[in-house]
Amino acid sequence: RKEVEQDPGPFNVPEGATVAFNCTYSNSASQSFFWYRQDCRKEPKLLMSVYSSGNEDGRFTAQLNRASQYISLLIRDSKLSDSATYLCVVRNSGGSNYKLTFGKGTLLTVNP
Amino acid sequence: GAGVSQSPSNKVTEKGKDVELRCDPISGHTALYWYRQSLGQGLEFLIYFQGNSAPDKSGLPSDRFSAERTGGSVSTLTIQRTQQEDSAVYLCASSLTSGGYNEQFFGPGTRLTVL
Repeated sequence: RKEVEQDPGPFNVPEGATVAFNCTYSNSASQSFFWYRQDCRKEPKLLMSVYSSGNEDGRFTAQLNRASQYISLLIRDSKLSDSATYLCVVRNSGGSNYKLTFGKGTLLTVNP
Repeated sequence: GAGVSQSPSNKVTEKGKDVELRCDPISGHTALYWYRQSLGQGLEFLIYFQGNSAPDKSGLPSDRFSAERTGGSVSTLTIQRTQQEDSAVYLCASSLTSGGYNEQFFGPGTRLTVL
């Protein structure tokens, strides 16, 4: 089982749609969780951290379920500019807590 | 302020040649990381530096890969005797410290093509 698995995508949605991405991780001792965004041929950039209680940033809502080892990202009222690859990212705990493990990403295209 | 910079942005080389990739982290960031992103693959961790020391080199795929960091700042990733399977985007990231919710800031990457 891969350490971080995501919906394979691609997702093609119209502007204004709500879209949800799911991610599972295999290491139950994982410490911190993130969603990164990567535009085509660009570097990944942090979109948001994911906290145990769930958190929201504008149109973006992230949820974490530690019992199920599951992370989600919800995008409401999607914009053309949301088109990108969304990377689910997990940080190890303990002695290797510097290491981020990335999912392969889910490609989102928002269409006019 | 200035972000992470990498050079060159693109490198085309012939199989068997050596290449050096450079990373300038954000000033004051003590932690530095190298990742590799191959076509259709997720980012793959290569090596981590805390200051000038590399406590974790476990991600380096073979002994042809090495990296160093000097002055707690600039890092160089060297690939000797390049192979076609080394073709990928090599990304460098830095963070203020490691662990927790410290954000890793990525550079634009070096796209390496081995012919």
